[in-house]
Amino acid sequence: GAVVSQHPSRVICKSGTSVKIECRSLDFQATTMFWYRQFPKQSLMLMATSNEGSKATYEQGVEKDKFLINHASLTLSTLTVTSAHPEDSSFYICSLTGTTRADTQYFGPGTRLTVL
Amino acid sequence: ELKVEQNPLFLSMQEGKNYTIYCNYSTTSDRLYWYRQDPGKSLESLFVLLSNGAVKQEGRLMASLDTKARLSTLHITAAVHDLSATYFCAVDLYKAAGNKLTFGGGTRVLVKP
Repeated sequence: GAVVSQHPSRVICKSGTSVKIECRSLDFQATTMFWYRQFPKQSLMLMATSNEGSKATYEQGVEKDKFLINHASLTLSTLTVTSAHPEDSSFYICSLTGTTRADTQYFGPGTRLTVL
Repeated sequence: ELKVEQNPLFLSMQEGKNYTIYCNYSTTSDRLYWYRQDPGKSLESLFVLLSNGAVKQEGRLMASLDTKARLSTLHITAAVHDLSATYFCAVDLYKAAGNKLTFGGGTRVLVKP
């Protein structure tokens, strides 16, 4: 399967600061990337879908001005949590698909965000 | 709106016995997936089920799909401790929504010796 990396794996920040999470496809051209959020002991909730070179499509209830997504290239997408608050503390996971492997999503290892 | 329900939410298993996790979904689906998640980790893909009647097996795990009943099952044969994890099913409305996955609530499995 495709290799997907996320950086950082863990981040602790102060309330009010912004945090950028990178999602990289190491061996695969990702035409579509997804960002999920998972609270402790809960399921994954899709936050947004991004296609390379286009604006991200956000799910209902997700603030696009707070969670900035940039799909800069076929191998890189970033999620920036702006003015983070403790309630943004969560596990953020990216996944990707491509035109040649459209029936499978490949998940990154996740980023644990803790906002103090 | 697509809804995906798993049950049970928690399953305490005895080693050597067989168990089944159920995944029901509310609308016609193109694809159904099963994933495993270990604590603090991301998702590991287990199975992709693409058509009615599809059955896939890997080791002690077997997944099946009944699109008419909108039901998938994950069967665990002779449970072992290594299978302790949380299992998620997810449904993909590919044609309508372009690979967007809707996840079930997850089934936390604990296998006791």
